[in-house]
Amino acid sequence: QSVLTQPPSASGTPGQRVSISCSGSLSNVGSNTVSWYQHVPGAAPKLLIYGNDQRPSGVPDRFSGSKSDTSASLAISGLQSADEADYYCAAWDDSLGGAWLFGGGTKLTVL
Amino acid sequence: LLQESGPGLVKSSETLSLICSVSGASINRNTYYWAWLRQSPERGLEWLGSIYYGGSTYYNPSLKSRLTVSVDTSRNEFSVRLRSVTAADSAVYYCARNAGVLTGYQRRFDYWGQGKLVTVLS
Repeated sequence: QSVLTQPPSASGTPGQRVSISCSGSLSNVGSNTVSWYQHVPGAAPKLLIYGNDQRPSGVPDRFSGSKSDTSASLAISGLQSADEADYYCAAWDDSLGGAWLFGGGTKLTVL
Repeated sequence: LLQESGPGLVKSSETLSLICSVSGASINRNTYYWAWLRQSPERGLEWLGSIYYGGSTYYNPSLKSRLTVSVDTSRNEFSVRLRSVTAADSAVYYCARNAGVLTGYQRRFDYWGQGKLVTVLS
């Protein structure tokens, strides 16, 4: 099973807007909703976005998600040093009996 | 909310066993599945399987032959057993709440444990 494709790294300065892409295929991103997770090593991963563009309670509106066809994006505006973390996209894949797929992760550095 | 526990070292060819203790929420709630995932530098984040409080499961097809996920509602916990482990099974193992499964809509893992590092000794 192939993973969803994310850039390995991204960076920005405080206050900037950064975007992280997630590319899949018709059987996963193209057919199912995408979720995004923030992971600071050593801590529990945190759900940031679900249903392509929905924020759980408590997640700042600086974080937003979108999806078009077989690609999705996570945008972070007003970048803060606390946003430095690894970010992962995920989607259910309908092929081969079905399974969750994750992106390889994007390490965000706040310069 | 979720806490993994179990041995941090497992010998090659033996069985990895971990427990996830759930606090602050009832595992009996008929809205959620409960999941196991793992993360390693080689394989990235990988979903293992999920279970409903009634015992219904769905597994990653690539691991299905070696995997058992079970639930103990009296203890409010669920567990994973992975048989015939090799060095490739060394990873940080996470348990998580798996939402949206029953509706098949807006599926997600909305709460995660901090993870348990498991190393397979060859």
